[in-house]
Amino acid sequence: DIQMTQSPSSLSASVGDRVTITCRASQSISNYLNWYQQKPGKAPKLLIYGASSLQSGVPSKFSGSTSGTDFTLTISSLQPEDFATYYCQQSYSTPYSFGQGTKLEIK
Amino acid sequence: QVQLQESGPGLVKPSETLSLTCTVSGGSISSSYWSWIRQPPGKGLEWVGYIYASGSTNYNPSLKSRVTISVDTSKNQFSLKLSSVTAADTAMYYCARGPSGSYNYAFDIWGQGTMITVSS
Repeated sequence: DIQMTQSPSSLSASVGDRVTITCRASQSISNYLNWYQQKPGKAPKLLIYGASSLQSGVPSKFSGSTSGTDFTLTISSLQPEDFATYYCQQSYSTPYSFGQGTKLEIK
Repeated sequence: QVQLQESGPGLVKPSETLSLTCTVSGGSISSSYWSWIRQPPGKGLEWVGYIYASGSTNYNPSLKSRVTISVDTSKNQFSLKLSSVTAADTAMYYCARGPSGSYNYAFDIWGQGTMITVSS
């Protein structure tokens, strides 16, 4: 099974900041890496698929990149509505697996 | 647009079978994969399994011996049965569309979730 490791597990930032969340796969997953945003009491929402493709309707402040088995989600110019928990997920092979999540909090 | 809605009992007794249904509206259940994903309180996400409209399935090995996912195309619904439940199965259960080939096999549409508590 493929293990996904996210870092950091929590992150404090201020409105207007730019933040980066990293996800590492335990083996090569090509670009089969997706990012989700989850707000309290809500279902996860797909932000980025294929490591760097923005889901329709998602603001361009969200971006994704890859370097080998390391994947990065960058959020620029943080706004209050961006404070949430973010998950990465590999769709390379079953069983599909998620990172443990990164909780982004307001400083 | 496609929307998903889970329905279920809310409370299940230990050792019994959990049964959930996901109703797909705004589109056909055919020609897509459909998954169940769960999230214990305060914890991360776990993929349970998927079904294709044709009925083919793929389950997480960690749950495979207890899981059955089925589809009813006439009702535009798919269902989850999880047998011999314990407190460890207490979680929010989400249904989702995916793996979606158009989105690199991501889960692109999610239901709002239904909370299942296992307790006597």
